[in-house]
Amino acid sequence: GENVEQHPSTLSVQEGDSAVIKCTYSDSASNYFPWYKQELGKRPQLIIDIRSNVGEKKDQRIAVTLNKTAKHFSLHITETQPEDSAVYFCAASNGGADGLTFGKGTHLIIQP
Amino acid sequence: DGGITQSPKYLFRKEGQNVTLSCEQNLNHDAMYWYRQDPGQGLRLIYYSQIVNDFQKGDIAEGYSVSREKKESFPLTVTSAQKNPTAFYLCASSSLAGLSYEQYFGPGTRLTVT
Repeated sequence: GENVEQHPSTLSVQEGDSAVIKCTYSDSASNYFPWYKQELGKRPQLIIDIRSNVGEKKDQRIAVTLNKTAKHFSLHITETQPEDSAVYFCAASNGGADGLTFGKGTHLIIQP
Repeated sequence: DGGITQSPKYLFRKEGQNVTLSCEQNLNHDAMYWYRQDPGQGLRLIYYSQIVNDFQKGDIAEGYSVSREKKESFPLTVTSAQKNPTAFYLCASSSLAGLSYEQYFGPGTRLTVT
């Protein structure tokens, strides 16, 4: 089955700096890669996703890049703000109705 | 926050008892999912269902059972066979129309078994 590795487990950055979280996946059949943000005690919320036919996708301060050959994808957050502090999860699936395989999460801390 | 509800928010049970967690959605989504979240482990897939009266095992189905008698409802039963049932349980749903893969999560149920 699919295996998703996520690094780092904790990331501390100064407010205004950029943050990068990286994930690798094992199943070359995976074609859908979402990123979720989860605040303490709350449900995960989708912040951006990318499909395997696209190499990069951007939404304001958030961007995701995908390298299918190397089987890795990354989340980039620019101009970080205090409200960006949360746990971020990457995931992968082969699309359709199949479930997601998640990474173990990155705790992002924005230092004032 | 969408139309996925889970109840109750907190649930306490004694070891050896079965317990059923509720998940309802009014989004008219075809697919529904159950995930378990433990500290430092991310989310792991328990069961999923693409259509009424059909469901598939996920990565950690042992000790759990589900039913999908209605499109809107996907209850999860944690049986006494589940060795470590204490966890945060999240239900999700997804529309299969228009090649949309996004999964929407419910607020979760925190189960504590002592």
